[in-house]
Amino acid sequence: GAVVSQHPSRVICKSGTSVKIECRSLDFQATTMFWYRQFPKQSLMLMATSNEGSKATYEQGVEKDKFLINHASLTLSTLTVTSAHPEDSSFYICSARVPRTSGGLDEQFFGPGTRLTVL
Amino acid sequence: AQSVTQPDIHITVSEGASLELRCNYSYGATPYLFWYVQSPGQGLQLLLKYFSGDTLVQGIKGFEAEFKRSQSSFNLRKPSVHWSDAAEYFCAVGPPGGNTPLVFGKGTRLSVIA
Repeated sequence: GAVVSQHPSRVICKSGTSVKIECRSLDFQATTMFWYRQFPKQSLMLMATSNEGSKATYEQGVEKDKFLINHASLTLSTLTVTSAHPEDSSFYICSARVPRTSGGLDEQFFGPGTRLTVL
Repeated sequence: AQSVTQPDIHITVSEGASLELRCNYSYGATPYLFWYVQSPGQGLQLLLKYFSGDTLVQGIKGFEAEFKRSQSSFNLRKPSVHWSDAAEYFCAVGPPGGNTPLVFGKGTRLSVIA
């Protein structure tokens, strides 16, 4: 199956700093990637849909100025948490969906996640 | 609107016992259905998926799931649970085709006791 990587896997930062998380599709091209956030013992919450070459689409309640998403190429999307605060501490997971209509498997491939801790 | 309900927040089973995790969905047409497993601190791994055809689908690690349209259900089963199956299980639904995200249930945490 397709592989999605995330970097870093774990990051600890001070309050007020910005953190960039990278999501890469290693063996396929992803025109669309998704960013999820997961709080402890809870389900995945979709934050935004990242589209290559265009602006991301954010879910209701997600601050687009705080969570900057850039999808500059068909294999890379980045999520930047700006001016991070302790309440931004969470597990961030990206995924890419290969649509069946394009000959893919029509499933989402998930990255391993990034644990962000803001002190 | 699409939604997924996993009625059981936490299930505990004995090693070697059978397992069934429930999943009900709400969708206007036949959706694509998925089961994912997540170990602590890890990403999600696809166990199995249903698109069409045979309503009983086989997945990895000995899991299977049955799509029942009349009940809007897609329950996950395993005949004999191993201690390594302890994890969080998520059911998800998505529309056919296109670049749209999946909708996830809240998850069921499985504990396995000796």
